[in-house]
Amino acid sequence: DGGITQSPKYLFRKEGQNVTLSCEQNLNHDAMYWYRQDPGQGLRLIYYSQIVNDFQKGDIAEGYSVSREKKESFPLTVTSAQKNPTAFYLCASTPKWGGQYSPLHFGNGTRLTVT
Amino acid sequence: AQRVTQPEKLLSVFKGAPVELKCNYSYSGSPELFWYVQYSRQRLQLLLRHISRESIKGFTADLNKGETSFHLKKPFAQEEDSAMYYCALKSTNKLIFGTGTLLAVQP
Repeated sequence: DGGITQSPKYLFRKEGQNVTLSCEQNLNHDAMYWYRQDPGQGLRLIYYSQIVNDFQKGDIAEGYSVSREKKESFPLTVTSAQKNPTAFYLCASTPKWGGQYSPLHFGNGTRLTVT
Repeated sequence: AQRVTQPEKLLSVFKGAPVELKCNYSYSGSPELFWYVQYSRQRLQLLLRHISRESIKGFTADLNKGETSFHLKKPFAQEEDSAMYYCALKSTNKLIFGTGTLLAVQP
């Protein structure tokens, strides 16, 4: 069954700790994205990657970091520098950006709570 | 600046009533717009795109360049339409989402 898997579903961390959210896809998609979903603010783009070993900052990249060492994996690290990390995080992928549009395929999300 | 505006956080209607979810955009050039939907406990998924000019689950959306709008409409709401709806604009390398509208269809 092809798709995007985000793990874990719920994550709890103490303030000051870095935490890494996993995103894996077996759709053979080139492009992957991390969005943050907050009530009343919609989806805001954190980072995206269009190809292995390359990624770009989105609109709210401060306090986050990513890597894209493998095509199927795009982990997101929420660092202690992120001032308001408690949120719902969504990972998405699409075959290739540009040209004929292919819709984003989303994971089920990870809810991160930092106390 | 490229932006998507959904003015309503919540839209509550009765079953059988018409529905219109508003979306306005700001974009220089020829826009590509989409509606995504998130049902309870399900993944966010594409509902429809303006290029296709399709009707999905009874929903339609027409791009109005003069009013810079892409409102989502359905003539008769069903309870299963209750969900979070996001309007999205295709930019150079990404999708820009609006803040979303929660549609609640009452029995």
